[in-house]
Amino acid sequence: QLQLQESGPGLVKPWETLSLTCTVSGGSIRSSSYYWGWIRQPPGKGLEWIGSIHYSGNAYYNPSLKSRVTIFVDTSQNQVSLKLSSVTAAESAVYYCAKHLGNSWLDAFDIWGQGTMVTLSS
Amino acid sequence: QSVLTQPPSVSGAPGQRITISCTGSSSNIGTGYDVHWYQQLPGIAPKLLIFANSNRPSGVPDRFSGSKSGTSASLAITGLQAEDEADYYCQSYDSSLSVWVFGGGTKLTVL
Repeated sequence: QLQLQESGPGLVKPWETLSLTCTVSGGSIRSSSYYWGWIRQPPGKGLEWIGSIHYSGNAYYNPSLKSRVTIFVDTSQNQVSLKLSSVTAAESAVYYCAKHLGNSWLDAFDIWGQGTMVTLSS
Repeated sequence: QSVLTQPPSVSGAPGQRITISCTGSSSNIGTGYDVHWYQQLPGIAPKLLIFANSNRPSGVPDRFSGSKSGTSASLAITGLQAEDEADYYCQSYDSSLSVWVFGGGTKLTVL
């Protein structure tokens, strides 16, 4: 059974780079054709899609974040990572990684990690 | 202000039927992009409830159903149960913005 687990610093200073990792267990990223995504949710607010990537490296990003976001895959570690630069306090949120249902990045997210809270504060 | 509009809250008594609407536009739902629905219990990650407008993943009770028409979609829950109390989000793709968009979420209260 596929499981996703996010990890990374819970506290990041404003204007620094937020770095998170999603470790996939119960299956290989390389052997599947799925896309993997990152979504965030500020406390008490709704969901925002950050971006999605295939293990081949093909990636799609939210245009509003595109200049600051990088998502990449490490197949040797079975991980999907997120880097978001020049973060501001308004980007404090729970960050989720999730798997797309099929082999299209336009498929729903069917498996989610538990999420990790990242607070932006000096 | 979300691209997909949902009512902030709905409520119903146990056993009743409720619906949650998701209103979009010609650049997302109206263009033919699929609508997906998620249930989020307090403090828990979202769970996929309905995919591609009306399909239920394995394990989701048939009390939950989805439909789509024109620029809108709906989630219906029949036989309301206390455990259904949660936030519900719709999701679709917007071709004008080139982005996955979520509705603002609807809080379901079981009276």
